Amino acid sequence: GQSLEQPSEVTAVEGAIVQINCTYQTSGFYGLSWYQQHDGGAPTFLSYNALDGLEETGRFSSFLSRSDSYGYLLLQELQMKDSASYFCLIKGRDSNYQLIWGAGTKLIIKP
Amino acid sequence: EADIYQTPRYLVIGTGKKITLECSQTMGHDKMYWYQQDPGMELHLIHYSYGVNSTEKGDLSSESTVSRIRTEHFPLTLESARPSHTSQYLCASSEGRGRTGELFFGEGSRLTVL
Repeated sequence: GQSLEQPSEVTAVEGAIVQINCTYQTSGFYGLSWYQQHDGGAPTFLSYNALDGLEETGRFSSFLSRSDSYGYLLLQELQMKDSASYFCLIKGRDSNYQLIWGAGTKLIIKP
Repeated sequence: EADIYQTPRYLVIGTGKKITLECSQTMGHDKMYWYQQDPGMELHLIHYSYGVNSTEKGDLSSESTVSRIRTEHFPLTLESARPSHTSQYLCASSEGRGRTGELFFGEGSRLTVL
């Protein structure tokens, strides 16, 4: 089967750097995406990695390593507004609907 | 700004009632999805559609049905609501051939069944 694993919760301090990991099991996929969801809100797209390596978008970066079957989301200069849940998502080749979600990581930021 | 809209935002109904959650998008996207999500939990796919007259059940069909008569409209119907249906329902769409497959979500419909 296909699955993604993320830590359920990560705690960090305002101004610091935090990394949220996502490990996966899949027979093939097009790319790995990350979404942010604030409490009571809808998920919003953050980044997409089709190839191995780092993609940078402002304070957020995302990394993919197909050989190691994992990726991560890196958040720098943490702000209180970054407190949210973060989901990784695979655009797979095998499943009928091609989208497999991780269970989400709740990021708690302390002052 | 994403142009995908869901109504109602909040709904409280009694057990056994039939309800329809509306979802419309103005981006011309072929792919549309319905997800169920409890607070702080993962998203569960209920139904999806890859175009007009194309609908498929996801992992959690939850005794609901959908239709896709027009590209922009993807309503979800619960024939007989139960307390176990209490949850948030999220509609999403994506461009069929986009590189990232970015999903655009509506604001959600929060359903409470008494």
